[in-house]
Amino acid sequence: AQKITQTQPGMFVQEKEAVTLDCTYDTSDPSYGLFWYKQPSSGEMIFLIYQGSYDQQNATEGRYSLNFQKARKSANLVISASQLGDSAMYFCAMRETSGSRLTFGEGTQLTVNP
Amino acid sequence: DSGVTQTPKHLITATGQRVTLRCSPRSGDLSVYWYQQSLDQGLQFLIQYYNGEERAKGNILERFSAQQFPDLHSELNLSSLELGDSALYFCASSVTAFQETQYFGPGTRLLVL
Repeated sequence: AQKITQTQPGMFVQEKEAVTLDCTYDTSDPSYGLFWYKQPSSGEMIFLIYQGSYDQQNATEGRYSLNFQKARKSANLVISASQLGDSAMYFCAMRETSGSRLTFGEGTQLTVNP
Repeated sequence: DSGVTQTPKHLITATGQRVTLRCSPRSGDLSVYWYQQSLDQGLQFLIQYYNGEERAKGNILERFSAQQFPDLHSELNLSSLELGDSALYFCASSVTAFQETQYFGPGTRLLVL
């Protein structure tokens, strides 16, 4: 069964610094997709970035990049130049090609300090 | 704004009651997913519909049911509500049923008293 692990319940970062949020996954499916979502205190789930298991390059979207290490089964999110508005809960999720559902990790609460 | 709409935003009801949550997917999206987010269970997949047909089922209770209508909007029906059903219910949509990004609506926050 697929599983996502986020080992950092909370992280703190100074404004303008970079931060890495960890995510490891477990699957037996050779084809899968990895996603990161942001959930601010208002509650909505905002899609940030996607990485396919066969993608050769790490995904990037603006200040977000995904450090994908397939052999280690990790898909860490890197946020560069943190902003106060980045304070939120961040979820890593996976979807296997054979299925439709997203499986989520428990999330990491990021706090950006001024 | 993801383009997915959900109504109502908040719902307060009593145990034993029945409620209906509504979702309109993004324009052009054929697939709708329902997820439940609670403090003890985290984010869990409930059910998926694709172009009106049930596609996949997750941890959905028998007291819960869903459907997708010809105009592609979807409704999640929760009946015989219990205190433990209090949660944030999300609808998400994607163009097809396959491996691609799911865009989430703002959620419906349900409180069962």
